[in-house]
Amino acid sequence: KAGVTQTPRYLIKTRGQQVTLSCSPISGHRSVSWYQQTPGQGLQFLFEYFSETQRNKGNFPGRFSGRQFSNSRSEMNVSTLELGDSALYLCASSLDGRYQPQHFGDGTRLSIL
Amino acid sequence: AQTVTQSQPEMSVQEAETVTLSCTYDTSESDYYLFWYKQPPSRQMILVIRQEAYKQQNATENRFSVNFQKAAKSFSLKISDSQLGDAAMYFCAYRSLTAGGTSYGKLTFGQGTILTVHP
Repeated sequence: KAGVTQTPRYLIKTRGQQVTLSCSPISGHRSVSWYQQTPGQGLQFLFEYFSETQRNKGNFPGRFSGRQFSNSRSEMNVSTLELGDSALYLCASSLDGRYQPQHFGDGTRLSIL
Repeated sequence: AQTVTQSQPEMSVQEAETVTLSCTYDTSESDYYLFWYKQPPSRQMILVIRQEAYKQQNATENRFSVNFQKAAKSFSLKISDSQLGDAAMYFCAYRSLTAGGTSYGKLTFGQGTILTVHP
């Protein structure tokens, strides 16, 4: 069974631009969560989607948004990029996002110049 | 809000020896899961072991076992017969099981412990 796939693996953007990251979950998994990982703040939860609906959201500004498609694939969008958005963005999928464990992808490394 | 604390930024162990990584957490909830994840330099977060709070028996997975002390809110990971491939950053994580949307899909992580394995 294929694991969680995140694309692209690396991304370089400049301040003010916007970016879209993609996550394909493990087949059959309907829950997709996104996390931001930085050296200073560690791992922080962004949001979770289940069956195309956002069920939970972390404490991030509105510039961070996401969506989920009918095939459970998810995208995360960050608008008006800031230097502080430089981070590793991790996606995790789970059967239900509650009782079943989350399995992570390799992440997208986003660098803002 | 729940918090997870890993007080050991770095640990080291000799190959074939045993090492224990510490984790404490703070919560007022009674139903939750605790996890240990491993993140090697390849970046992928790999699930090592899971513990359900309602279970008194400590979870084990091959060379990995936990010491879960619910009253003390402590959740340590023991790695036996350490191998070079165990070298990684280890994260302790908490997931609430309370009713309501704030528990869905959210893991609260500690700051991590870098484990070095010496040959």
